[in-house]
Amino acid sequence: EAQVTQNPRYLITVTGKKLTVTCSQNMNHEYMSWYRQDPGLGLRQIYYSMNVEVTDKGDVPEGYKVSRKEKRNFPLILESPSPNQTSLYFCASSSRVNGYNSPLHFGNGTRLTVT
Amino acid sequence: GEDVEQSLFLSVREGDSSVINCTYTDSSSTYLYWYKQEPGAGLQLLTYIFSNMDMKQDQRLTVLLNKKDKHLSLRIADTQTGDSAIYFCAAKYGGYNKLIFGAGTRLAVHP
Repeated sequence: EAQVTQNPRYLITVTGKKLTVTCSQNMNHEYMSWYRQDPGLGLRQIYYSMNVEVTDKGDVPEGYKVSRKEKRNFPLILESPSPNQTSLYFCASSSRVNGYNSPLHFGNGTRLTVT
Repeated sequence: GEDVEQSLFLSVREGDSSVINCTYTDSSSTYLYWYKQEPGAGLQLLTYIFSNMDMKQDQRLTVLLNKKDKHLSLRIADTQTGDSAIYFCAAKYGGYNKLIFGAGTRLAVHP
């Protein structure tokens, strides 16, 4: 089954303790992206990756890092989490064929609470 | 800058039609999307429309695009309780797949 898998689904942590949220897709998609969802704000892009070893900042990158060492994986790293990073996080991927980007496929989300 | 706005709540009676509205600011958007989010789940793509189209119909869903007014709407015919969810409007800009999302409209369907 074609899917984007995020882990963990729920995570509670304390300020300053480094954490990684994993994202993996099995569709051989070139493009991957991380969004955060906050009430009243919709989804905002954190980072994206056009392909392996190619990453770039989205609209709200502060406090986050990403890496794209393999095509299928795009982990989100919080080196020193703070309470304002408490949010619902989504990973998404899409393909690009003949210059056309397919619609984004989303994972089921990771709910992060930083105390 | 790019912005997408939608009303936050809509309540309809089961069997009626629902219309969820969305406005966007940047006329250079190429595709406009509707996603559905059920509780505890990710975003499910419902439908999308290319910016050179006025209307797209897919079973119970009808999307209308007024490019002059930068207004997008999603009509759900014969709304059912299973349609209760948050609906996000999103606009795509540029050559890569960055989407700008609205805040989401929570649709409540009551008997």
